[in-house]
Amino acid sequence: DIQMTQSPSSLPASLGDRVTITCRASQDIGNYLRWFQQKPGKSPRLMIYGATNLANGVPSRFSGSRSGSDYSLTINSLESEDMAIYYCLQHNEYPYTFGAGTKLELK
Amino acid sequence: QVTLKESGPGILQPSQTLSLTCTFSGFSLSTYGMGVGWIRQPSGKGLEWLANIWWDDDKYYNPSLKNRLTISKDTSNNQAFLKITNVDTADTATYYCARSTPGFAYWGQGTLVTVSS
Repeated sequence: DIQMTQSPSSLPASLGDRVTITCRASQDIGNYLRWFQQKPGKSPRLMIYGATNLANGVPSRFSGSRSGSDYSLTINSLESEDMAIYYCLQHNEYPYTFGAGTKLELK
Repeated sequence: QVTLKESGPGILQPSQTLSLTCTFSGFSLSTYGMGVGWIRQPSGKGLEWLANIWWDDDKYYNPSLKNRLTISKDTSNNQAFLKITNVDTADTATYYCARSTPGFAYWGQGTLVTVSS
């Protein structure tokens, strides 16, 4: 199975900060990487697809990037509504695997 | 408008078979390239992909559940199903179905399943 190592597990940040969450893939997954946002009691919401593409309706302060086997989600100018847990997902091969999640919280 | 909604038994006992239904609208599982997946999440924990079914009836499973899973579909009624045999307390979770074309852009609200004696 492809392991997705996500870091950090917890990320305290202040409003207006720029934050970055990273997933490292244990094998090549190309750009078959998605980022999801999940708020308490809610279903996950797709934020980024194809490693770098913004999903419909996602604010432009979110962006995705790739450097080798490292995939990153960056949020510029953090807003209160961004406080949530973020997960990466590789869907290059079965079984699909999620990262363990990053809890973004107010410092 | 794409919607999905999961339904399940709520509570069941260890060793029983869990049957879940995903009823969807706004797309058809008979359309070329369309797929539906199941994902679960124990309370306070992360997401785990379980299975996928595609328009051509191709099926894929998470091997970590060791042949306990069966996914199927009813194209006429816009439903997908997941069965998990021989459940135990570790299967207690919220179960989601999601359209996997494009990959999990649309999710249901989830259904909580509790396994308890």
